[in-house]
Amino acid sequence: DQQVKQNSPSLSVQEGRISILNCDYTNSMFDYFLWYKKYPAEGPTFLISISSIKDKNEDGRFTVFLNKSAKHLSLHIVPSQPGDSAVYFCAGDSGAGSYQLTFGKGTKLSVIP
Amino acid sequence: DTGVSQDPRHKITKRGQNVTFRCDPISEHNRLYWYRQTLGQGPEFLTYFQNEAQLEKSRLLSDRFSAERPKGSFSTLEIQRTEQGDSAMYLCASRRRETQYFGPGTRLLVL
Repeated sequence: DQQVKQNSPSLSVQEGRISILNCDYTNSMFDYFLWYKKYPAEGPTFLISISSIKDKNEDGRFTVFLNKSAKHLSLHIVPSQPGDSAVYFCAGDSGAGSYQLTFGKGTKLSVIP
Repeated sequence: DTGVSQDPRHKITKRGQNVTFRCDPISEHNRLYWYRQTLGQGPEFLTYFQNEAQLEKSRLLSDRFSAERPKGSFSTLEIQRTEQGDSAMYLCASRRRETQYFGPGTRLLVL
């Protein structure tokens, strides 16, 4: 039972355009969501997060949108840069107990110069 | 912040051998996590410490796996009698507020 789904394994975008990465979840107990960026052979790097009581959070070129009724969130990167090429993981935090993260399988973003 | 560090970064071992990994969290973080990541998957939760107490373990953590965090500082993850299916990236993270910060991981290959 996959509680966090990233249905697009890969995405290619031209440099300077917008990248939109999507994530769906099934666990209603998630109260915090995080996006991580991962380069090969490195650990995930925290990018941006959003609380379930908000519908948008922005940090520079990165914006995360949350639609609780649809159990859907998206990460927008604008403008996209070649250095953004990486695998992006969406994660939900149960907000209780161990506060463990449940990750999706990731989306590989390629930004083409 | 010096970040989360892990050692070794890579480990190749033969099936049946024991291996031990170390994680040093960010110094003021009292919550520490271990995750495992296999090819094509996201990280999967293994276990969690608050200070020196191991408070939760995943079903993924078989009896061959043991983790410790003496004195609530660094943590070790030991795998006994390794199997080829243990080959993965083992990630450690420490938490501040709602955010977990990951180390670079230890890549294990069991031959």
